[in-house]
Amino acid sequence: QQPVQSPQAVILREGEDAVINCSSSKALYSVHWYRQKHGEAPVFLMILLKGGEQMRHEKISASFNEKKQQSSLYLTASQLSYSGTYFCGTEDYGGSQGNLIFGKGTKLSVKP
Amino acid sequence: SAVISQKPSRDICQRGTSLTIQCQVDSQVTMMFWYRQQPGQSLTLIATANQGSEATYESGFVIDKFPISRPNLTFSTLTVSNMSPEDSSIYLCSAGSGLSGYTFGSGTRLTVV
Repeated sequence: QQPVQSPQAVILREGEDAVINCSSSKALYSVHWYRQKHGEAPVFLMILLKGGEQMRHEKISASFNEKKQQSSLYLTASQLSYSGTYFCGTEDYGGSQGNLIFGKGTKLSVKP
Repeated sequence: SAVISQKPSRDICQRGTSLTIQCQVDSQVTMMFWYRQQPGQSLTLIATANQGSEATYESGFVIDKFPISRPNLTFSTLTVSNMSPEDSSIYLCSAGSGLSGYTFGSGTRLTVV
């Protein structure tokens, strides 16, 4: 079951904050976050595990609410380099290890 | 984290032919994964390739169409067989461990004419 990401797209001015959400209908073991720039491969940002702590990558942090089966990615004081499409990938208890199901992505554009 | 070399980076192929995509990892990894991504869309898992065992295919993908080779812990190939224009897409391999995240190859942009 593909996780649902919201919003689909967001436009920010440099220095503004944004939140990207990822929700699943299944009980999740982990949530991965990736950023993909146009024409490039996705790049791993962080992983959230069940029972784990909130993670951070530079000024980007994420949380994982196991009960609500959702994760949120927080981009603080956005930089031009944050532009790209953000994907969450989920592992659920019914799947095999590493079998990530990716959301449709959130396109983030940061303007000067 | 692992570094993956994927080739070819792009190809234009005639319908009915086959293309083999190669991925070389700079370290030994247990699991490798193959994805397909239409431009501007999400990534769809094709199969998981573990060394020493048959690849595990996701729903909608079959071995006859996408045979996978995993001869050792650093290398894998995906073949797209008997291609049609519907197979035009970006194909990516991935490897790593769950706790460190997964690294992707740079992708193969395939156009079938």
